Amino acid sequence: GDSVTQMEGPVTLSEEAFLTINCTYTATGYPSLFWYVQYPGEGLQLLLKATKADDKGSNKGFEATYRKETTSFHLEKGSVQVSDSAVYFCALKRNSGYSTLTFGKGTMLLVSP
Amino acid sequence: GAVVSQHPSWVICKSGTSVKIECRSLDFQATTMFWYRQFPKQSLMLMATSNEGSKATYEQGVEKDKFLINHASLTLSTLTVTSAHPEDSSFYICSALPGQEDEKLFFGSGTQLSVL
Repeated sequence: GDSVTQMEGPVTLSEEAFLTINCTYTATGYPSLFWYVQYPGEGLQLLLKATKADDKGSNKGFEATYRKETTSFHLEKGSVQVSDSAVYFCALKRNSGYSTLTFGKGTMLLVSP
Repeated sequence: GAVVSQHPSWVICKSGTSVKIECRSLDFQATTMFWYRQFPKQSLMLMATSNEGSKATYEQGVEKDKFLINHASLTLSTLTVTSAHPEDSSFYICSALPGQEDEKLFFGSGTQLSVL
């Protein structure tokens, strides 16, 4: 079945550091890929997405590129802020047939001043 | 943006009692709502899909008699954990779908259930 694997956290960084959160997936066909973010006390919200190979999703300074050859969708940001502290979830959705989202376990990011 | 309200945010109950969790879409009508469960250090796992006015569709391995889902209106779905036991302790999250695209899901902030 479909699965998403993301690096275990917490990831602890100082403000303005470079961020990478790894995500790899297993799925049949060519799924759409997503990153969701959950800030403390709030619900998950869509951060960015990519629907086909080599697409780059970007939002709020975060980027992720859909790499079909490595089945990866790593999340990156050049300079993190304290306000980026949250839990980040990688997810996929198959584009054929009925399909709901399959999530990874989530990675907590803690950014200190 | 769209808001989904989930209550309570945390609940502690005795083994054998039932607990109801509410999920409301505050500014849109949700024909479909989803219920997820997350154990510590595990993925969000879909439990069931709830469609307004019809029976919920449960994922394999989820007991429908234990996790009762009611989606009586376009803005409210409830999950009742019946005869809760300590192994039901988990983080439960609902989401609501205003349209047909899964990526436009709006999530509640979750409910931490602890069964003593």
